[in-house]
Amino acid sequence: GAGVSQTPSNKVTEKGKYVELRCDPISGHTALYWYRQSLGQGPEFLIYFQGTGAADDSGLPNDRFFAVRPEGSVSTLKIQRTERGDSAVYLCASSFRGGLTDTQYFGPGTRLTVL
Amino acid sequence: GQQLNQSPQSMFIQEGEDVSMNCTSSSIFNTWLWYKQDPGEGPVLLIALYKAGELTSNGRLTAQFGITRKDSFLNISASIPSDVGIYFCAGQPSGTYKYIFGTGTRLKVLA
Repeated sequence: GAGVSQTPSNKVTEKGKYVELRCDPISGHTALYWYRQSLGQGPEFLIYFQGTGAADDSGLPNDRFFAVRPEGSVSTLKIQRTERGDSAVYLCASSFRGGLTDTQYFGPGTRLTVL
Repeated sequence: GQQLNQSPQSMFIQEGEDVSMNCTSSSIFNTWLWYKQDPGEGPVLLIALYKAGELTSNGRLTAQFGITRKDSFLNISASIPSDVGIYFCAGQPSGTYKYIFGTGTRLKVLA
């Protein structure tokens, strides 16, 4: 079956602009995670959804970052007033229920470049 | 953000050699995971560990959940060229749903 998909694969924007990054999880997965991966680093947790609600958003770096999952499936990560430091690969992952033994399946990521 | 200490940072080895890498944390984790990431791809889960002291194998890979719950080890036996990539550990702090990732070990295998 289809894995986690993310669009766009690459996004180049100018400082100060607004961007939206989309994640399509595996069908039937209720848990969805967003991570940010800077060059040469491991993924850094941003936010975790269980269904439609954000169960843990403690990783969002500031109020310019926001994510939604209105129907419990597709999620959108929104970044306002982008800064050059926001440049990174944004990874999405989903798992069946988010339980302790559930495997997280990652998408290929969206590479965001802020000029 | 918080990242786990992973070592070594990178290693060049000959095909057929065994590889060892480890991950340490200053806090206790309930779960340890090991992932491999290829260029342009998301991480792929290799091994998951759920209990202190647990030793689990997946083919040529063996991982252990440290007794102190603050570390984990991954061994790759008889390395082959397709083992090339970046290996990440990840731990789940008690009482949370999030995973904290390590800084990565970059493995290059010389044929």
